[in-house]
Amino acid sequence: DTGVSQNPRHKITKRGQNVTFRCDPISEHNRLYWYRQTLGQGPEFLTYFQNEAQLEKSRLLSDRFSAERPKGSFSTLEIQRTEQGDSAMYLCASSFGGDNEQFFGPGTRLTVL
Amino acid sequence: GQNIDQPTEMTATEGAIVQINCTYQTSGFNGLFWYQQHAGEAPTFLSYNVLDGLEEKGRFSSFLSRSKGYSYLLLKELQMKDSASYLCAVRESVDSSYKLIFGSGTRLLVRP
Repeated sequence: DTGVSQNPRHKITKRGQNVTFRCDPISEHNRLYWYRQTLGQGPEFLTYFQNEAQLEKSRLLSDRFSAERPKGSFSTLEIQRTEQGDSAMYLCASSFGGDNEQFFGPGTRLTVL
Repeated sequence: GQNIDQPTEMTATEGAIVQINCTYQTSGFNGLFWYQQHAGEAPTFLSYNVLDGLEEKGRFSSFLSRSKGYSYLLLKELQMKDSASYLCAVRESVDSSYKLIFGSGTRLLVRP
């Protein structure tokens, strides 16, 4: 299967813990996006990469959030000192160039207790 | 500012036609997308409009009027499996990010 994959699919953690999620985009896609989605809402943009460069970060992304794409392939999103408000579905999407369709991964559902 | 509005919920009957409307106000418009999302799953691409007019794709059609900031998704011959959320999203290109700005989604329930 050559779609976007994300791991883990589900993560339950206690408040104050750190968590890291991984996204593997479609192999030839140079753009990678992270979105966050809460129940009953549409996805909200968090950040994006073109190859290994992180080119934009939303104001939603506090200092506790950091994302990397070290070799321009997979990406990781880390949340430090998690809070209950971080509970959401974290979606990754990739595209080849900006003008093409973004393909979404299955998401990582985070629950912070 | 950015604002995308679509109805929260709609109900329709199997075999019928339903139209889901979307109005938007954004900067740097670079296309409008419709995604389908079943509960607990990722959004999947349905259609894309960048020029005014109607795009048809099987049972799904999407229309765009850029001057009115308006789009609709038309679903024909509804099937039970079409029960899902339908997300309207505008792609921005103000800073070359081409990020998607989503509406809150329309939950469609198809009844027998």
